[in-house]
Amino acid sequence: LAKTTQPISMDSYEGQEVNITCSHNNIATNDYITWYQQFPSQGPRFIIQGYKTKVTNEVASLFIPADRKSSTLSLPRVSLSDTAVYYCLVGEGSSNTGKLIFGQGTTLQVKP
Amino acid sequence: GAVVSQHPSRVICKSGTSVKIECRSLDFQATTMFWYRQFPKKSLMLMATSNEGSKATYEQGVEKDKFLINHASLTLSTLTVTSAHPEDSSFYICSARVKWGADWEQFFGPGTRLTVL
Repeated sequence: LAKTTQPISMDSYEGQEVNITCSHNNIATNDYITWYQQFPSQGPRFIIQGYKTKVTNEVASLFIPADRKSSTLSLPRVSLSDTAVYYCLVGEGSSNTGKLIFGQGTTLQVKP
Repeated sequence: GAVVSQHPSRVICKSGTSVKIECRSLDFQATTMFWYRQFPKKSLMLMATSNEGSKATYEQGVEKDKFLINHASLTLSTLTVTSAHPEDSSFYICSARVKWGADWEQFFGPGTRLTVL
């Protein structure tokens, strides 16, 4: 399973755009890139998933370069409620096992 | 997205007792569920893969006799922590894997906080 590397923590202010980059140099051809958000004492919540180029939904955008060795989660105009841990995971897709191995995640602190 | 529930949400038990945690997929069937453990300020650690109708697959270092997993139906997996000790106190989270549209996705339960006294 591909290992991911993310910054341990990031700080931002309300209303700013936040970009969290994840490295996954050993990503396999069939792997998808998925981002989860976790609040304290809650299970992770799916944010966005992509395979290549750019994916956008109502809460975030995911940018994936052509070599797919990294990805960037973009959160537009963050609010205090976006303070959470964000995990980048590689796997799923057509993976037979479906196992997700969580890395350390990025703790995002949004300040007023 | 799909909903996964866990019961109980919180449990406190005495050392030496066994605790069962249920994980249910509420509006879909899941042939595969996963169990994770998370210690304070740490990431989720995959414990085992639960397959309906077959034995669970445990990750390296996880004692299968300590953490009994039963996936009796397509909507229910249970994790039993046997002879629990204080070091087993943790946040246990399950997830269910399902084909969502064209892709596979995993949906996570809300977690169960286990405190062993």
